[in-house]
Amino acid sequence: GQQLNQSPQSMFIQEGEDVSMNCTSSSIFNTWLWYKQDPGEGPVLLIALYKAGELTSNGRLTAQFGITRKDSFLNISASIPSDVGIYFCAGPGTYKYIFGTGTRLKVLA
Amino acid sequence: SQTIHQWPATLVQPVGSPLSLECTVEGTSNPNLYWYRQAAGRGLQLLFYSVGIGQISSEVPQNLSASRPQDRQFILSSKKLLLSDSGFYLCAWSLETGRTTQPQHFGDGTRLSIL
Repeated sequence: GQQLNQSPQSMFIQEGEDVSMNCTSSSIFNTWLWYKQDPGEGPVLLIALYKAGELTSNGRLTAQFGITRKDSFLNISASIPSDVGIYFCAGPGTYKYIFGTGTRLKVLA
Repeated sequence: SQTIHQWPATLVQPVGSPLSLECTVEGTSNPNLYWYRQAAGRGLQLLFYSVGIGQISSEVPQNLSASRPQDRQFILSSKKLLLSDSGFYLCAWSLETGRTTQPQHFGDGTRLSIL
């Protein structure tokens, strides 16, 4: 079946640093989603991408839909302590979404 | 606007006891509904999804079952809980537009601890 691999699995960064993470698929997607999950809460949709090559921003977050349609990237600029959490990518299946394994971000003040 | 409610927020149950978790969605009709489980520090495991009343698809064989008695109500149940049923349970909804599944939106989750 389809699998989404996220990299890195976890990362510690200093406050103020920029963060990059990516998600790769074994098959082509026509939509990419990025979610953030705060500790003890449900994931919240950050950015949705619908077109290959699309670059979309949401505040300090920027996500890109890879040209091959098999990958997507999320960048966070000037990280702050509240960026802590798990970031998930997701791509559509039939009536459902397939979620990546997550990137756990920890910010050191 | 659409909202999703899950309850309870936390639950502690003994092994062998029954379970009923409820999820309701407001502000939309005919949503797709989903139940996920998340082990501590791990990813999201899709348990069940439903595209309509009475229609349930199971993703993994297990000790749990799901039901959709009403359009915007999704229930996760078990007759006898196992220790391995502990985890964080999340409900989500999405809409189908044409042949496209729109992004899912999640509830706040239920933390289930089995003793």
